[in-house]
Amino acid sequence: DGGITQSPKYLFRKEGQNVTLSCEQNLNHDAMYWYRQDPGQGLRLIYYSQIVNDFQKGDIAEGYSVSREKKESFPLTVTSAQKNPTAFYLCASSPGQGAYQPQHFGDGTRLSIL
Amino acid sequence: EDKVVQSPLSLVVHEGDTVTLNCSYEVTNFRSLLWYKQEKKAPTFLFMLTSSGIEKKSGRLSSILDKKELFSILNITATQTGDSAIYLCAVGLLSYGKLTFGQGTILTVHP
Repeated sequence: DGGITQSPKYLFRKEGQNVTLSCEQNLNHDAMYWYRQDPGQGLRLIYYSQIVNDFQKGDIAEGYSVSREKKESFPLTVTSAQKNPTAFYLCASSPGQGAYQPQHFGDGTRLSIL
Repeated sequence: EDKVVQSPLSLVVHEGDTVTLNCSYEVTNFRSLLWYKQEKKAPTFLFMLTSSGIEKKSGRLSSILDKKELFSILNITATQTGDSAIYLCAVGLLSYGKLTFGQGTILTVHP
């Protein structure tokens, strides 16, 4: 079945450590997105990519980095510069730009600090 | 700055009640408004609205957009416990591919 797979489901980070969250889609979608969800704040956009080898910063990109080397993969690295990384991270994809096509979401990764 | 505001932030009802969730927005270059339902994990798509006054329906759920007054409502009739979830509203802009989300409304339906 087509869909978006995020891994791991739960992740713990030590102080000063970089961690990478995986997002893979087999929907053949061009655009992919990373969101952070905190209680009471809805979804906030971290990074998005509309095509392979290209990506743009969202509203809260500081302390995060991404790559888009393959159409089906859009990993997110949470760096040690992100001082408050505890949150629920959601990856999404859409056939084209999100304003024109609904985005489909993965099941998320919950990141906590040890 | 683009802004999407949902109200109420939380709502508790009993099975069989009808609820109305609100989403207002202040954005430049509006293109679309989307509603999602989020239970435990992945938000699932409900509706995408681009034209004023045209109601979209799916079973007990319906939604309408007012582009003059800059808001949308999501109605759920004859609520069931399975409707308990966070309902998210998002706005898409012409000039960018991204969506801007509201804070979400937490709906709890008691038996």
